[in-house]
Amino acid sequence: GAVVSQHPSWVICKSGTSVKIECRSLDFQATTMFWYRQFPKQSLMLMATSNEGSKATYEQGVEKDKFLINHASLTLSTLTVTSAHPEDSSFYICSARGQGTQYFGPGTRLTVL
Amino acid sequence: GESVGLHLPTLSVQEGDNSIINCAYSNSASDYFIWYKQESGKGPQFIIDIRSNMDKRQGQRVTVLLNKTVKHLSLQIAATQPGDSAVYFCAEIKNSGYALNFGKGTSLLVTP
Repeated sequence: GAVVSQHPSWVICKSGTSVKIECRSLDFQATTMFWYRQFPKQSLMLMATSNEGSKATYEQGVEKDKFLINHASLTLSTLTVTSAHPEDSSFYICSARGQGTQYFGPGTRLTVL
Repeated sequence: GESVGLHLPTLSVQEGDNSIINCAYSNSASDYFIWYKQESGKGPQFIIDIRSNMDKRQGQRVTVLLNKTVKHLSLQIAATQPGDSAVYFCAEIKNSGYALNFGKGTSLLVTP
């Protein structure tokens, strides 16, 4: 149990386009989901906390207008990277809180050309 | 600011030996810690957790030790196997919303 999926697993896009990443809790409901970003050989950095039915809470330095988060249901949160630029290329990982701890998705590798 | 950090960036051990990965934290108010394993290109995988009212917790081949006096956390892996090769992160609860603050990570390499 406690499986979190992400889609897509990898995406390549042109600079200036927008990319949507989905995070789903498959076998449990998650009122809270989290989005992290990880650059190569670095740790995970929290971007935002996504609460079902309310606005996301963004960490300092993360542009809310660039990284749009929607948590419309108890099993789905989406992250949209708007007007992507090469510096947005990274590994994006979501997690969902359930059963007293956090379970992570497999990550989405975004490459912006 | 307060953060979770690791003593060693890399650790190389021989198959069958025991591994010890260390972590220091600075927030004395932290009351919940988790160890994660991350293989290349994958998301973190939960290994074991511990609350601040405990000093030790054991799982299958893994033990986490918590020393609140010196704010130190360690992960011990018994009889390390090649499949244990990965990056290991300690994490603490960042805020009341249960977001996690991750340490820098230790890369564990198991050699035959």
